[in-house]
Amino acid sequence: DVKVTQSSRYLVKRTGEKVFLECVQDMDHENMFWYRQDPGLGLRLIYFSYDVKMKEKGDIPEGYSVSREKKERFSLILESASTNQTSMYLCASSSGRGWDTQYFGPGTRLTVL
Amino acid sequence: AQSVSQHNHHVILSEAASLELGCNYSYGGTVNLFWYVQYPGQHLQLLLKYFSGDPLVKGIKGFEAEFIKSKFSFNLRKPSVQWSDTAEYFCAVRNSGNTPLVFGKGTRLSVIA
Repeated sequence: DVKVTQSSRYLVKRTGEKVFLECVQDMDHENMFWYRQDPGLGLRLIYFSYDVKMKEKGDIPEGYSVSREKKERFSLILESASTNQTSMYLCASSSGRGWDTQYFGPGTRLTVL
Repeated sequence: AQSVSQHNHHVILSEAASLELGCNYSYGGTVNLFWYVQYPGQHLQLLLKYFSGDPLVKGIKGFEAEFIKSKFSFNLRKPSVQWSDTAEYFCAVRNSGNTPLVFGKGTRLSVIA
């Protein structure tokens, strides 16, 4: 079974702090994704990566950056957290084959005070 | 750009009632179609998917979905719901190739005894 793990289930940070959310997958997947999930808005894509050191902006990249130094790890960075970034953050991965399923981690619920 | 519409925000059903959740997408080319489910407190998991072939797709837990290309639709159905089906359901679409999923806003299903 594919396993996607996220470093924290719950995180509380203060406005202006730098926040790192980590995601690790164990299936040697090429593709990794970061989404945020908000009530009534569904899942919105923040950033994704097709390969190590590659990144692509999703629909809502403002205020976020990412890092992918190793194939299995994809980090989401909030350079200066703001209250409107309070949300559930979901990481996903999929193989590089065009028709594969995306597998999701358990999510990190981030609260910015 | 691809967009996905889920017309029902919250559906409340009694146990044993039949379920149909609507999903429509905008892009008319070759697509992959998915339904994901998120049970309370759990991570997103795949319910079923359509890539090609028979437009009637069967998934886990008695769910099925029908792809109707002419209507740009991929509605989810279950003949008889159970209390344990209480969850949030997300429709997702991917254009051909190795591209990220685009999600609908989700439909919350509450099944009452």
